[in-house]
Amino acid sequence: DAGVTQSPTHLIKTRGQQVTLRCSPKSGHDTVSWYQQALGQGPQFIFQYYEEEERQRGNFPDRFSGHQFPNYSSELNVNALLLGDSALYLCASSSQQGLKEKLFFGSGTQLSVL
Amino acid sequence: EDQVTQSPEALRLQEGESSSLNCSYTVSGLRGLFWYRQDPGKGPEFLFTLYSAGEEKEKERLKATLTKKESFLHITAPKPEDSATYLCAVQAGNFNKFYFGSGTKLNVKP
Repeated sequence: DAGVTQSPTHLIKTRGQQVTLRCSPKSGHDTVSWYQQALGQGPQFIFQYYEEEERQRGNFPDRFSGHQFPNYSSELNVNALLLGDSALYLCASSSQQGLKEKLFFGSGTQLSVL
Repeated sequence: EDQVTQSPEALRLQEGESSSLNCSYTVSGLRGLFWYRQDPGKGPEFLFTLYSAGEEKEKERLKATLTKKESFLHITAPKPEDSATYLCAVQAGNFNKFYFGSGTKLNVKP
């Protein structure tokens, strides 16, 4: 079982650029959530995808968007990058079979905006 | 507003010196409280889930407890390999949305 995989592991962009991060969920999971973790902080919820639709969203601007594919993998897109978008972006997968099921996290994508 | 607060922010222990980490929360519709361990540059790794007040879970040197307002992660006779950031998260609402605390960074010196 490969667990949750994310790519790329590191990324360097400049202000105003756009970025796409990718995530493959753990085998058997159908729900993908994205989190942003700034240095020294806990993960902050961005949004959650289930059945290829955004089901819930945190307090993030529309510059943050996503997509889920039929195979349950997901992408996070960030437009018009700001310096403050520099963070570790975490993908977490879970199953809707039980709403109390824990989240499994990938190792994250470290995004640096210069 | 749903909120999770962890204390202390950082903790330095000598190997073998037991201590506890605190996680206090104010959420509506609590579904579960989770403890994760996070090593630098890595994603959080699941440790425990607690669902109701009075519940306890143990794993090696770690023990998690839950009351109606807070949870404790007790570390007994820690070793240097226990050094990491420990995150507390609460699951609330109808969807699998988690609210995380800022974590406690634990450093165990040999």
